[in-house]
Amino acid sequence: DARVTQTPRDKVTEMGQEVTMRCQPILGHNTVFWYRQTMMQGLELLAYFRNRAPLDDSGMPKDRFSAEMPDATLATLKIQPSEPRDSAVYFCASGPTGGTKTGELFFGEGSRLTVL
Amino acid sequence: AQTVTQSQPEMSVQEAETVTLSCTYDTSESNYYLFWYKQPPSRQMILVIRQEAYKQQNATENRFSVNFQKAAKSFSLKISDSQLGDTAMYFCAFMKPVPYSGNTPLVFGKGTRLSVIA
Repeated sequence: DARVTQTPRDKVTEMGQEVTMRCQPILGHNTVFWYRQTMMQGLELLAYFRNRAPLDDSGMPKDRFSAEMPDATLATLKIQPSEPRDSAVYFCASGPTGGTKTGELFFGEGSRLTVL
Repeated sequence: AQTVTQSQPEMSVQEAETVTLSCTYDTSESNYYLFWYKQPPSRQMILVIRQEAYKQQNATENRFSVNFQKAAKSFSLKISDSQLGDTAMYFCAFMKPVPYSGNTPLVFGKGTRLSVIA
C-alpha cells in the first residue's frame, strides 16, 4: 500500500538543538502539507507545497522554522533553535492532483517531538 | 476564513449502540468538501468519510454516515453498531478546493474524543 513516510517517529532533544523532520510523500502526489498537533491548539497548518513550490507558510514561526522540498520525494521541516513550546506531534500529509481525488489527503504517522 | 466547530469534547457509547458526533462550520463558499478523520491512540490520521458540498445525498461508508445540512452548515457523523475499535479522536475538517489544482489545506475542528464501552 502506498503511504506517507515520516521520520523520526519520536524525538527527544534539548532546548537550543536543531531538529529536522523528514517526509516522503506518496509517489505522484503533488501537494504536501505540514501540520502541528498540540492539546491546546489542535491541528494547525504550518506550511504547504504544490509541485514543490511553497504556497503558504503563514502558520510557521519564521524565525526558527523552515520547510523545504528539495525534490518530489522529500519534504523537510527544520526547527533551529528548538524550544520547549515546540513540543508537539508534527504530521506530514500528501494529496494527489485534483479531479475526483480532491480531498483525499493521506497522513503520515507523525513525528512526536519533545523539547526539554 | 473558514472555521470548524465541534461542540462535544468527549462522548461515550455502549458497544453496538449508535452515536452521533456534531460539527458545524462557517464559510461563504458554495463549493467545498467536508471530512471526518479518525485518530486512534496510534495517532495515525485516518479518513473516515468525505462529503462534497454540491452533492445533496449524504455520504455513507459501511457503519459510518453523515447528515449534511448545507443551509444550516452542519455536518454530523453517525456511527452505527459501535465497536471497541471505534474508540478514537474524531476530527471534522473543511477544504475549499482550487479548480484544476486540487487540494488545499484542511481546516480542522478541535476534535471529539469518543470512547466505546464494552
